[in-house]
Amino acid sequence: KNEVEQSPQNLTAQEGEFITINCSYSVGISALHWLQQHPGGGIVSLFMLSSGKKKHGRLIATINIQEKHSSLHITASHPRDSAVYICAVRPPQGGSEKLVFGKGTKLTVNP
Amino acid sequence: NAGVTQTPKFQVLKTGQSMTLQCAQDMNHEYMSWYRQDPGMGLRLIHYSVGAGITDQGEVPNGYNVSRSTTEDFPLRLLSAAPSQTSVYFCASSKYRGQGYGYTFGSGTRLTVV
Repeated sequence: KNEVEQSPQNLTAQEGEFITINCSYSVGISALHWLQQHPGGGIVSLFMLSSGKKKHGRLIATINIQEKHSSLHITASHPRDSAVYICAVRPPQGGSEKLVFGKGTKLTVNP
Repeated sequence: NAGVTQTPKFQVLKTGQSMTLQCAQDMNHEYMSWYRQDPGMGLRLIHYSVGAGITDQGEVPNGYNVSRSTTEDFPLRLLSAAPSQTSVYFCASSKYRGQGYGYTFGSGTRLTVV
């Protein structure tokens, strides 16, 4: 079983829809990252969070440490949001700095 | 521009050739790492470093060497390229031993070994 599981693997939406991508993890963490990768492109860090909720523009990320679960929401989705969204967890402080990655969720937003 | 610079962006090698993928950052980050990304596999850690002179193996280190002579540079060497090393390679950096520090990724190197 992977330590970081994302769902769904693939998601297709119509422009304007509200999007939710989920990430569950089974290990202790000090922080969780959400990353975005456009087709053929590099990887951009969207959020790093260790508790609560963060918002940037139309993107919202939440984390529930007790339930070992995080969600990434996109409001009023747009075709330019089409990308692979990757969840990654960072081990607790004092341990290895190695990130553990989910396999990603491929989002396609149609006009 | 501040960030992580990877070169080259694309490379085709013949089996058995060697090459070095370059990675440089100008953010004074202690932690640097190399990942490979393959379809259906997600990102996998090859090697990492927590400071100049310190390197360690990740999940898939075989066939790769690294060194960290300066804080800024973390090159990845393929000693004898094999088709199984066809992949997209990403370098990433971060401050070390601190919560609240994010990761910065390079733009990637797409390597094909024929």
